[in-house]
Amino acid sequence: AQKVTQAQTEISVVEKEDVTLDCVYETRDTTYYLFWYKQPPSGELVFLIRRNSFDEQNEISGRYSWNFQKSTSSFNFTITASQVVDSAVYFCALSEAGGAQKLVFGQGTRLTINP
Amino acid sequence: EAQVTQNPRYLITVTGKKLTVTCSQNMNHEYMSWYRQDPGLGLRQIYYSMNVEVTDKGDVPEGYKVSRKEKRNFPLILESPSPNQTSLYFCASSLSGSRYEQYFGPGTRLTVT
Repeated sequence: AQKVTQAQTEISVVEKEDVTLDCVYETRDTTYYLFWYKQPPSGELVFLIRRNSFDEQNEISGRYSWNFQKSTSSFNFTITASQVVDSAVYFCALSEAGGAQKLVFGQGTRLTINP
Repeated sequence: EAQVTQNPRYLITVTGKKLTVTCSQNMNHEYMSWYRQDPGLGLRQIYYSMNVEVTDKGDVPEGYKVSRKEKRNFPLILESPSPNQTSLYFCASSLSGSRYEQYFGPGTRLTVT
């Protein structure tokens, strides 16, 4: 069965610090898809990135970067030079190519950036 | 603007009074889904639809119904709401299946007393 674990329930840092959010997943499928979503205080869910299991290249988008390592079943998310607007709950999620058509979410990490 | 809309955004109702939460997307997406978000339990899928007239149960379908008569709409029906259905509900859509990124509506906060 598919499972996503975000061990960090809450993280608090001071603005401009770098912060890494951990995500570990479990799946029996060889083809699967990983996602990160952001839920700001306003409550909506915002898509950040999608990665398929065949693409282990790291990705950078501005201050955001993602490190996908199949060997450790991890898909970690780093925010560089954090800003107050980055404060949100971040969810990692997994879907399997061969399984039921659903996203399985981790419990989320609440990130607070203090000025 | 490409978006998923949900109505109502907030609803307080009483036990047993049937209600419908509407969901509509303007991206011509084939796949649509409903999730509920609860503290400590995270986001869980209720129902999903791969296309018109094709729906299937997610992880927590009890007490809910859905229909997909048109590609753009995917309403969630609670025929006899109970307090344990108090939750934050999200509708989502994607191009085709859950392997693609899903775009979420703004959420509907439902309270059943």
